[in-house]
Amino acid sequence: DTGVSQDPRHKITKRGQNVTFRCDPISEHNRLYWYRQTLGQGPEFLTYFQNEAQLEKSRLLSDRFSAERPKGSFSTLEIQRTEQGDSAMYLCASSLGLSSEKLFFGSGTQLSVL
Amino acid sequence: EDKVVQSPLSLVVHEGDTVTLNCSYEVTNFRSLLWYKQEKKAPTFLFMLTSSGIEKKSGRLSSILDKKELFSILNITATQTGDSAIYLCAPNAGNNRKLIWGLGTSLAVNP
Repeated sequence: DTGVSQDPRHKITKRGQNVTFRCDPISEHNRLYWYRQTLGQGPEFLTYFQNEAQLEKSRLLSDRFSAERPKGSFSTLEIQRTEQGDSAMYLCASSLGLSSEKLFFGSGTQLSVL
Repeated sequence: EDKVVQSPLSLVVHEGDTVTLNCSYEVTNFRSLLWYKQEKKAPTFLFMLTSSGIEKKSGRLSSILDKKELFSILNITATQTGDSAIYLCAPNAGNNRKLIWGLGTSLAVNP
C-alpha cells in the first residue's frame, strides 16, 4: 500500500493520559498536514510540515498538542493530559508541496477520551 | 478572515436525481479550490479548480469555478446510492497553501 497510513485506527484513553499517533505519508511527498475533525464539521487545521520543518501551527491549538517530523518522513502527534473535548478523528494528509496542492488523506485515528 | 460557506448543509434525493452543491468563499491570495468526497473515513479527492469557467468532469460528476463571483458548484447527475457522502469544498489560500475547509454538504441518495 503506497497511500498515507495512520496508526492506530482507534484509540480509547482515560482523561489525563497522554496519547501519540503516527502518520506515514506517501514517500515522495514533502508536505505533511495534521487535521482534526468532529461530527458535522469540516477538517480543522492543526499543523503542517515542509520536510522536517514545522511551518505553521494553528493558533487555536493548545500547548498540550505537539507534533514532530524528525527525519522529514513519518510524523507523530502527541496530546498530553487528554481532555474529553479532544475526542475527534485525527487526520493526516500529505502532498507533493510546491508542485501540487492536492492532499491525500490517511484513514484517520479516532480518539475517544473517557 | 478566510471564510467558506457550503449549501445546502444537507440534501436528500432519490436515485436518478441531479443535484447541485454550492460553495462560496472569501479567502486571501486564492490559488485554487478543491472538492473532496468523504464517506466513513478520510476525504477522497474529486477535483481541483484553478481557472474560471472551465468545467472539470469525471463520469457523472462535474464542477466549475467562478473566480469573479467567488463560488464553485459541484454537479452530480443520475445520482446513485453510492454517491451518499459528505462533499467538502476547500479553497487553497495564503502563502503556505493551506486549505480552508467548509462544513460540507451531507448528501443522502435513497433508492
